[in-house]
Amino acid sequence: SQTIHQWPATLVQPVGSPLSLECTVEGTSNPNLYWYRQAAGRGLQLLFYSVGIGQISSEVPQNLSASRPQDRQFILSSKKLLLSDSGFYLCAWDGIGGEKLFFGSGTQLSVL
Amino acid sequence: EDKVVQSPLSLVVHEGDTVTLNCSYEVTNFRSLLWYKQEKKAPTFLFMLTSSGIEKKSGRLSSILDKKELFSILNITATQTGDSAVYLCAGRPSGGTSYGKLTFGQGTILTVHP
Repeated sequence: SQTIHQWPATLVQPVGSPLSLECTVEGTSNPNLYWYRQAAGRGLQLLFYSVGIGQISSEVPQNLSASRPQDRQFILSSKKLLLSDSGFYLCAWDGIGGEKLFFGSGTQLSVL
Repeated sequence: EDKVVQSPLSLVVHEGDTVTLNCSYEVTNFRSLLWYKQEKKAPTFLFMLTSSGIEKKSGRLSSILDKKELFSILNITATQTGDSAVYLCAGRPSGGTSYGKLTFGQGTILTVHP
């Protein structure tokens, strides 16, 4: 069966510090992978998606970047965090057949 | 720009009540509408709707899509405290590799009191 792992679960970082969130999918190959952000009390916003190694598309301009160094690994990064980067970050993949979206357990990021 | 709007934004009911959550959408090249339940962490999949008028049902939950009115509802009958969660709906466009590029609504916060 396929599973998606995301870590860390919570992170508290000072403004200006770097960020690295990691996501991996097991049990499948060449998945489409996504990073979403959920601000408090709001819906999910798509940040990045990737259809393969080294292929990244950005949906919104921001202080973040994404990379896909391996087939089943997706990384969200920042060189210098801003207060506005706080939020709940979710990695997702679109499953076998690509009709649904399955989410990792999320990372609650607080930038202070 | 694609848009999904949910109502109400929050709802408080007592166990045993029936609730209806609403979702309207404007999605270019619409393919499907998905409902998710989010308790504390990751949203979990509930339903995917692609055709108008065909009800999807899972236990006390059911959902239907109206592609003419660009609208979907999620019904929960005989609510339980375990139904307390944020319910998200999302519209998916068709075409190529955009399957996961869902546009989400802001969610409905459902609170069920004993």
